[in-house]
Amino acid sequence: QSALTQPASVSGSPGQSITISCTGTSSDIGTYNYVSWYQHHPGKAPKVLISEVSYRPSGVSNRFSGSKSGNTASLTISGLQPEDEADYYCSSYIRFSTYVFGTGTKVTVL
Amino acid sequence: QARLVQSGAEVKNPGASLKVSCKASGYTFSDYDIQWVRQAPGGGLEWMGWINPKHGGTNYAQKFEGRVTLTWDTSTSTAYMEMTSLRSTDTAVYYCARDRSVVWLDPWGQGTLVTVSS
Repeated sequence: QSALTQPASVSGSPGQSITISCTGTSSDIGTYNYVSWYQHHPGKAPKVLISEVSYRPSGVSNRFSGSKSGNTASLTISGLQPEDEADYYCSSYIRFSTYVFGTGTKVTVL
Repeated sequence: QARLVQSGAEVKNPGASLKVSCKASGYTFSDYDIQWVRQAPGGGLEWMGWINPKHGGTNYAQKFEGRVTLTWDTSTSTAYMEMTSLRSTDTAVYYCARDRSVVWLDPWGQGTLVTVSS
């Protein structure tokens, strides 16, 4: 199973909104509503931001939102802040209880 | 609250075996699957497999089938990831994570750095 495709990098100025895409296939994102997004600061443990495409767990800022259209899921960060500078990964259920992560996106706050 | 604490960094020779532990606290260990994920230097997150501590079920990414074994000990609320025939490309940070739902991994362990080098 190949990794889901994400842009290598996305950047924005403080206060702006950015969107990170995560492209899969009809065998993963296109079929299942089990897409999660993780924020990963180097040297720290990843942190879940979104689960089940658009559900935001308790404690996660409402500046993070998720959506899906066809084979592509998206994470939007609104009101970009310096602490949002990190790596972001999507993840999807595939089939037969297996999973796959995206290639990862480095977000830079200009 | 739920917490996962992993064993410390390891340095291994090529061909050796590795066993990383992941001790859970703050929740009922058998109620959730434990997932294992790794990140090689400069690389992304890579899903390895999961174990269900209640039923003993496991599932592995095809890449790790036959070389990785996931086990658990309910008495100590600890999950283990064992990997054999280590090679330099297995150098990575290995994470365990509780699977709250499908692909909803929270929390994660702090990670275990494994270096494979002669």
